[in-house]
Amino acid sequence: DGGITQSPKYLFRKEGQNVTLSCEQNLNHDAMYWYRQDPGQGLRLIYYSQIVNDFQKGDIAEGYSVSREKKESFPLTVTSAQKNPTAFYLCASSLKWDNTEAFFGQGTRLTVV
Amino acid sequence: KQEVTQIPAALSVPEGENLVLNCSFTDSAIYNLQWFRQDPGKGLTSLLLIQSSQREQTSGRLNASLDKSSGRSTLYIAASQPGDSATYLCAVRRNTNAGKSTFGDGTTLTVKP
Repeated sequence: DGGITQSPKYLFRKEGQNVTLSCEQNLNHDAMYWYRQDPGQGLRLIYYSQIVNDFQKGDIAEGYSVSREKKESFPLTVTSAQKNPTAFYLCASSLKWDNTEAFFGQGTRLTVV
Repeated sequence: KQEVTQIPAALSVPEGENLVLNCSFTDSAIYNLQWFRQDPGKGLTSLLLIQSSQREQTSGRLNASLDKSSGRSTLYIAASQPGDSATYLCAVRRNTNAGKSTFGDGTTLTVKP
């Protein structure tokens, strides 16, 4: 089955810790994206990658970091510098970065305890 | 800066009714517009993708239209069913600024049996 897999589904973080969210796709897509969703709101772009070994900041990149060493993987690290990390995180991919359809994973809910 | 608005924020209808969800955007320089469905606590499922050169797309009971000049899209759902209850999001992908997408806040639909 082709698709996007996010893990874990739920994640709890203590204050001051860094945590890494996993996103893997087997769709052979060039472009991958990380979004944050807060209750009752739409999605806001954190980071995106148009192609392997390249990534760019989105609209709310502060306190987050990413890497794109492999085409199929785009992990997101939520650092201790992110002041309000509790949210629902969604990873997406598309064949190319311009006019193609985007597909989403099932999300990771991060809670700071 | 692209802004995407979805009205109404919530909608409740009896089963069997036809309904229209609205999405408006401020910048008509777009690659495409995509409609998604999101169930509570889940990722986004793509429903329809309309390229900037198209006027509408249909899939089963769903029909999406696009009017770039007026900055509007509608999602028409025919013969609504309780299983259609979900949040519906529209996303507009730009043809500038690396093709980033901007999401609306969504319309939460409840179809009552």
